[in-house]
Amino acid sequence: DAKTTQPNSMESNEEEPVHLPCNHSTISGTDYIHWYRQLPSQGPEYVIHGLTSNVNNRMASLAIAEDRKSSTLILHRATLRDAAVYYCILRDVGTIASNTGKLIFGQGTTLQVKP
Amino acid sequence: NAGVTQTPKFRILKIGQSMTLQCTQDMNHNYMYWYRQDPGMGLKLIYYSVGAGITDKGEVPNGYNVSRSTTEDFPLRLELAAPSQTSVYFCASSQSRGLTEAFFGQGTRLTVV
Repeated sequence: DAKTTQPNSMESNEEEPVHLPCNHSTISGTDYIHWYRQLPSQGPEYVIHGLTSNVNNRMASLAIAEDRKSSTLILHRATLRDAAVYYCILRDVGTIASNTGKLIFGQGTTLQVKP
Repeated sequence: NAGVTQTPKFRILKIGQSMTLQCTQDMNHNYMYWYRQDPGMGLKLIYYSVGAGITDKGEVPNGYNVSRSTTEDFPLRLELAAPSQTSVYFCASSQSRGLTEAFFGQGTRLTVV
């Protein structure tokens, strides 16, 4: 399973943008880049995912480097409710016969949001 | 929408006891997963299933068993509970093998004493 590298922690001020980086230098052509976050005492929740192009949804934006070896999750205006652990995960979609859709979690980035 | 439902939410077991953690989803997802999360750590995959009747080991399967007799249910069995199994357990499901999001339950907090 391809691995990702994220900073252990980051801080942000409320209502400011946050850029959460992720390195995945060994990414393969069939790996999708997924981001999940885990609020305190809750299960992980999906944030966004992409393959090659930048992606936007109501929660965040995902910027993917042209060589796909890194990506950045962008929260446009951080709120106190965005304080969580953010996980960057490579999910190999491969083939039906070879893939299980497993999400292999790393340590993630703990985001603190200051009022 | 119920999504992924786990029961119980909390449980205290004595060493050597057994129990089953229940997980059910109402989204007709083929793919289901069990994870454990120790304090301050990321989630570790215990077992997964790609459809009814098909299960396989994940990263940390020792001490656990699973079955998948229906699409909806994916119970996790702990035999001979040990203190090392004290953890928070999460169940997840997904419609596809990676093209869509995975949904997680709220977790079962298990303490083995």
